[in-house]
Amino acid sequence: EVQLVESGGGLVQPGESLRLSCVASGFTFSDHYMDWVRQAPGKGLEWVGQTRNKANNYTTKYATSVKGRFTISRDDSKNSLYLQMIRLKTEDTAVYYCARVAYGSGSYDYWGQGTLVTVSS
Amino acid sequence: DIVMTQTPLSLPVTPGEPASISCRSSQRFLDSDDGNTYLDWYLQKPGQSPQLLIFALSFRAAGVPDRFSGSGSGTDFTLKISRVEAEDVGVYYCMQHIEFPYTFGQGTKLEIK
Repeated sequence: EVQLVESGGGLVQPGESLRLSCVASGFTFSDHYMDWVRQAPGKGLEWVGQTRNKANNYTTKYATSVKGRFTISRDDSKNSLYLQMIRLKTEDTAVYYCARVAYGSGSYDYWGQGTLVTVSS
Repeated sequence: DIVMTQTPLSLPVTPGEPASISCRSSQRFLDSDDGNTYLDWYLQKPGQSPQLLIFALSFRAAGVPDRFSGSGSGTDFTLKISRVEAEDVGVYYCMQHIEFPYTFGQGTKLEIK
């Protein structure tokens, strides 16, 4: 069974940093692209960024709103995806989901349960 | 960025009746290498993570009932539910992933009358 479990969320002050993790199981993690998607309270979904697999040089892409502040990385030996966030802003408050990118279609066929990040003074 | 605009934003439906959600992109998608249109539909049920319904414009994800269908071309895309059931309540999102940054529609909240 495919599972994605996020962790690392919490309450931080503006300007601080936080690192989220997503541990994958039930599939060959190293083969897949992985994305982060977030959802502000009561709002819609917003794509955050993507990391490709080793065969594609672990290339990363980011939303304009987070570029230069967020870094996506992965450790295939630990089946883990990370989102390092620095210089957090109040508008970064959201539930952060990791999502598996399906072969071929590029769609998100599995999502984690999400982890809440609250940026507030 | 490609802006995805959904209508309506709220959709009350009587069980057994059909429903339709429109998604319009601000520009035509670039042609993909494989000819697919990278337009998906996701459903977020209350209190849950989103789940994939339709991928590549018109293909149902595994386990999705055949009352759900996707269609469209150019800049106009549609999700149709032939007969709404109570379990279909939630927020529906379209998403394009042909160009970075990937973008979602605002969401359409389907509720049962």
